Amino acid sequence: DAKTTQPTSMDCAEGRAANLPCNHSTISGNEYVYWYRQIHSQGPQYIIHGLKNNETNEMASLIITEDRKSSTLILPHATLRDTAVYYCIVRVVEGYSTLTFGKGTMLLVSP
Amino acid sequence: DVKVTQSSRYLVKRTGEKVFLECVQDMDHENMFWYRQDPGLGLRLIYFSYDVKMKEKGDIPEGYSVSREKKERFSLILESASTNQTSMYLCASSFISGGGTQYFGPGTRLLVL
Repeated sequence: DAKTTQPTSMDCAEGRAANLPCNHSTISGNEYVYWYRQIHSQGPQYIIHGLKNNETNEMASLIITEDRKSSTLILPHATLRDTAVYYCIVRVVEGYSTLTFGKGTMLLVSP
Repeated sequence: DVKVTQSSRYLVKRTGEKVFLECVQDMDHENMFWYRQDPGLGLRLIYFSYDVKMKEKGDIPEGYSVSREKKERFSLILESASTNQTSMYLCASSFISGGGTQYFGPGTRLLVL
């Protein structure tokens, strides 16, 4: 699985959009970009994934650059409950190998 | 919504005790996983299962065993608990074709004294 690089921490005001970047310059053609988050003392939560097109679901949007070397997770209207560590992972979609979380980005949403 | 439940949120056991952690999922997922998560070490895979009665070792299986008698249920067993098994234990499940999309339970924080 390709390695990813994320900022250690970010701040966001409640109600504003949170834009979390991820670099994955060694991504392979068959690898997808996945985002998970983990709220303190809870299990990780799947957010979204994509291959090359932008994706949106009820939680977030995922923007992947044309060269696929980086992506941005967008939480359109951040709330206090979005405070969590956000992990960007790149891997193939199938299979049952482990998820490898890096250090992630600690997003703090403030009132 | 996918629901993955774990038998306990917090557990305190003594060294040498046999410990059972149970996980149940309600989405008919073929794959189930047991991880442990420790500060600075991230998520580490202990065992996974891709079908009833099937199991595969993950990265750190020593000191653990698993059981999958029914599709929805995956148990992790600590045969003789030791203090270095104090950790957060996380269960997850996924479809066979969607291993990248795993749904996690709330976790069990185990303290071994």
